[in-house]
Amino acid sequence: NAGVTQTPKFQVLKTGQSMTLQCAQDMNHEYMSWYRQDPGMGLRLIHYSVGAGITDQGEVPNGYNVSRSTTEDFPLRLLSAAPSQTSVYFCASSPGAATYEQYFGPGTRLTVT
Amino acid sequence: GQQVMQIPQYQHVQEGEDFTTYCNSSTTLSNIQWYKQRPGGHPVFLIQLVKSGEVKKQKRLTFQFGEAKKNSSLHITATQTTDVGTYFCAARNAGGTSYGKLTFGQGTILTVHP
Repeated sequence: NAGVTQTPKFQVLKTGQSMTLQCAQDMNHEYMSWYRQDPGMGLRLIHYSVGAGITDQGEVPNGYNVSRSTTEDFPLRLLSAAPSQTSVYFCASSPGAATYEQYFGPGTRLTVT
Repeated sequence: GQQVMQIPQYQHVQEGEDFTTYCNSSTTLSNIQWYKQRPGGHPVFLIQLVKSGEVKKQKRLTFQFGEAKKNSSLHITATQTTDVGTYFCAARNAGGTSYGKLTFGQGTILTVHP
């Protein structure tokens, strides 16, 4: 099993550009989530999904969209990138919701100039 | 929304010294998880605590969940250079409607001087 994979590993965007961060897992996990990590602020939940076709907002959803058309994939879309979205983004999955251990992907380091 | 406060933000120790990080919540927690993130890496699950007053050990690591299920601690005995990294707690409110929302603490960055 590859576990949780994320692409790309690094990305530089200009303000106003849009892009999609990809996340996939091959463990048949129902629960998937996106976090951003900024210095001194821990991991903040952006969006999460408890199953295919079901998504919900986390703490910091503004400026991001998600969809979950399959169990395996959970892409994160930045609609119009802003410098405040410069961060490291982690995707995670788990067999169930928050009572199960989360498996994290390697992360995407995004810089918006 | 739910907040989980984690202290200290930084801890510098000499190899062989002990280390403790604390997580506190103003609301009762359903469970608490602990993760470790090595520099440049991703968070890796260490353990989950569910019961009031629960204590679990993993070699030199001791995890505790408070009696009121509002706080937790991670204690490392006799630190080694391999313990370097950021330690996070993560928790979900008990009885809330925010099913699926796991809130992370800010993390404690541990450095170990050989």
